Amino acid sequence: NAGVMQNPRHLVRRRGQEARLRCSPMKGHSHVYWYRQLPEEGLKFMVYLQKENIIDESGMPKERFSAEFPKEGPSILRIQQVVRGDSAAYFCASSPRTGLQDYGYTFGSGTRLTVV
Amino acid sequence: TQLLEQSPQFLSIQEGENLTVYCNSSSVFSSLQWYRQEPGEGPVLLVTVVTGGEVKKLKRLTFQFGDARKDSSLHITAAQPGDTGLYLCAGDRGYNKLIFGAGTRLAVHP
Repeated sequence: NAGVMQNPRHLVRRRGQEARLRCSPMKGHSHVYWYRQLPEEGLKFMVYLQKENIIDESGMPKERFSAEFPKEGPSILRIQQVVRGDSAAYFCASSPRTGLQDYGYTFGSGTRLTVV
Repeated sequence: TQLLEQSPQFLSIQEGENLTVYCNSSSVFSSLQWYRQEPGEGPVLLVTVVTGGEVKKLKRLTFQFGDARKDSSLHITAAQPGDTGLYLCAGDRGYNKLIFGAGTRLAVHP
């Protein structure tokens, strides 16, 4: 299965803890995108990364959130000192290159974060 | 303010009925995509429309992009229980990020 792999599928954290969400893009895809989905809402863009570069982080909260896509290994979305409002489904998508008209996203199954 | 408005929010119909879902905006998009999302899963791309007035068919699903590239519709003919899911439209304004509508939740009953 060469799809976008996200883990863990479910993550429970207490308020104040850190959450680390991992995403391995499809083979051959070098562009990774993170989106957040709140209950009964559509997906909201967070960040767009290429290997070792953050291209667009305009959707990321200024504090507590960070993302990376290292040369080796998966992309990581890190949330420090989680609060209840961070509870959501976090989706990663990948594409082979830019140009949404020609290369659509492939989404992973998401990580459902619950902050208790 | 929702940049992409989807309607209806919820739709419950019987197997065999036809339905149309709308996606409207005051903004112009380079392209527009439709996804279907099932519970506990990520969205799956159904179609991308690029040209104003474009119509694409995918079996019983017909997608149309408005002439001005601001709106789109999805029409399903003879709906089946397997069509049940959340249908999301998403617009591309050329910055490699999608703007999603809130979705239409469709339930098709046997």
